Amino acid sequence: DQQVKQNSPSLSVQEGRISILNCDYTNSMFDYFLWYKKYPAEGPTFLISISSIKDKNEDGRFTVFLNKSAKHLSLHIVPSQPGDSAVYFCAASAGNQFYFGTGTSLTVIP
Amino acid sequence: DTGVSQDPRHKITKRGQNVTFRCDPISEHNRLYWYRQTLGQGPEFLTYFQNEAQLEKSRLLSDRFSAERPKGSFSTLEIQRTEQGDSAMYLCASSHYSGTASYEQYFGPGTRLTVT
Repeated sequence: DQQVKQNSPSLSVQEGRISILNCDYTNSMFDYFLWYKKYPAEGPTFLISISSIKDKNEDGRFTVFLNKSAKHLSLHIVPSQPGDSAVYFCAASAGNQFYFGTGTSLTVIP
Repeated sequence: DTGVSQDPRHKITKRGQNVTFRCDPISEHNRLYWYRQTLGQGPEFLTYFQNEAQLEKSRLLSDRFSAERPKGSFSTLEIQRTEQGDSAMYLCASSHYSGTASYEQYFGPGTRLTVT
């Protein structure tokens, strides 16, 4: 059973605009959430995280929002840059294991 | 620190052969994870270690798979009698666990296994 879901396999955005990537989860015990970026032939690279005690965390152009009641998190990238083109995975943890979504492929069009 | 390293980066083997992969984590990290990733999927948890102790194994990890982390440093993942379904990217990640909270995992570049 997929406990973390990314329902959009792909997203295209114009350079300079906002990219919004979405993620839903089913396990209410998850208390730590992360976003990773992955380029081809490389391992995932940690991007940003958020604890369940917060609803927003910001790091430069990247902001993660957490809506616990809806079991939903999102990653906002503003402004989007061509170098942001990659596959983005969300992940969730309840302390030991980390569960990953299936990824969203983001293409930023120059 | 150069991050998490994995060796080899690519492995092609014939069905029925045994293979072993190595992972060197970030030195100060006490947790080490193994994942498997297939095309179009996210990383799937296989097993993890805290220091030298293997604390959890996924039901995905059949008896043909074994992992070790002697002395709590590097780790090896062995697959015996490989099958074509074992073809995947095998990812290693490490993190720091404080005893009360988890922190982000840092991934290696992965080992791409192809079973012919």
